[in-house]
Amino acid sequence: IAGITQAPTSQILAAGRRMTLRCTQDMRHNAMYWYRQDLGLGLRLIHYSNTAGTTGKGEVPDGYSVSRANTDDFPLTLASAVPSQTSVYFCASGSITGELFFGEGSRLTVL
Amino acid sequence: QKEVEQNSGPLSVPEGAIASLNCTYSDRGSQSFFWYRQYSGKSPELIMSIYSNGDKEDGRFTAQLNKASQYVSLLIRDSQPSDSATYLCAVRDRTGGSNYKLTFGKGTLLTVNP
Repeated sequence: IAGITQAPTSQILAAGRRMTLRCTQDMRHNAMYWYRQDLGLGLRLIHYSNTAGTTGKGEVPDGYSVSRANTDDFPLTLASAVPSQTSVYFCASGSITGELFFGEGSRLTVL
Repeated sequence: QKEVEQNSGPLSVPEGAIASLNCTYSDRGSQSFFWYRQYSGKSPELIMSIYSNGDKEDGRFTAQLNKASQYVSLLIRDSQPSDSATYLCAVRDRTGGSNYKLTFGKGTLLTVNP
């Protein structure tokens, strides 16, 4: 059982390019999340989805968009990447008791 | 702005000692609390969840919750070098229901010295 699968694991991207980080879960959780983690700032919520077909903004949503067409997939798109979006991105799914389970992360560098 | 505060550390303890990690939170209505362990370069891993006042034990780990003081802690008994990691405290948003957003503290770096 894979749990949460993220792709790519690492990417170097030129500023201004569009990038989609993929996230797939096989845990059948309704809720899914995207966090970014930066040194000294901790984990910050970008966007979330409580169930397929719905999404919401987190603490730092600007420059990012998400979609939730089905239960399993929750892609995160950077429409026009900027250097400040250099970070480690974690996708997570949430159980009904509120516990979150994380993917292995995607390390993104924007030059 | 909901806040979760942790001492950033580093906290250094000798092997075999008890490590005590602390966390305070600002939202008095919070109901669910979690501890995650994150090794360097890895993703956060859930190690404990606690929902009621008091202690919850799981192996060498004990989570303690005091809602009146808005305080949650994690004790690690018989600390091992493999426990060396950053420990993240997380608090579930008050709204509950289908909204499971968690707010994370910035983490405490624990080093267990052999």
